[in-house]
Amino acid sequence: GAVVSQHPSWVICKSGTSVKIECRSLDFQATTMFWYRQFPKQSLMLMATSNEGSKATYEQGVEKDKFLINHASLTLSTLTVTSAHPEDSSFYICSAKSVGPNSYNSPLHFGNGTRLTVT
Amino acid sequence: QQPVQSPQAVILREGEDAVINCSSSKALYSVHWYRQKHGEAPVFLMILLKGGEQKGHDKISASFNEKKQQSSLYLTASQLSYSGTYFCGTEKETSGSRLTFGEGTQLTVNP
Repeated sequence: GAVVSQHPSWVICKSGTSVKIECRSLDFQATTMFWYRQFPKQSLMLMATSNEGSKATYEQGVEKDKFLINHASLTLSTLTVTSAHPEDSSFYICSAKSVGPNSYNSPLHFGNGTRLTVT
Repeated sequence: QQPVQSPQAVILREGEDAVINCSSSKALYSVHWYRQKHGEAPVFLMILLKGGEQKGHDKISASFNEKKQQSSLYLTASQLSYSGTYFCGTEKETSGSRLTFGEGTQLTVNP
């Protein structure tokens, strides 16, 4: 089955520093990847849609200059949290959908998530 | 627009059945169901695309009503491994797999 690898699994950083999270589709190509954020005991909230070779589309209320997204290839998207603050501490999850003639019927495949703690 | 899930939580004994509902105020393109265990990524269960559709795998099944505004997930003869938080993710027309997730239903199956 389709596998999405997310790295790192967890990271602890100091306030004011930047953190990069990688999301890779290992056995399929993904022109579109999605980045979600999940706070404890809450739902997954879509942050942005990452499109290969073009600018990401951000959801309302998500600061594009703070959460930098790069989707340089069909298998890799990165999310960089710039100048991180304690309120950015959360569980960040990426997802991707395989392309192809039957893609309308295929699910989103999620990475294992990255737990970010900003001290 | 976030779909409404109910109930928020349910506690079962092993072998009992459960139904989780997901509703939208507008017709949807598709509904996706996922189960998430604590600290892990959501795991795909099934996707429904057609109004009136019903489908299942093992003892987990789901339905999508004719108006494509409501879906239900049915867990039959629950097992301990069914415990987790269930999310429905809904997709509007032409959203390109941009899913909006409900608040989740926390299911606990006890021995």
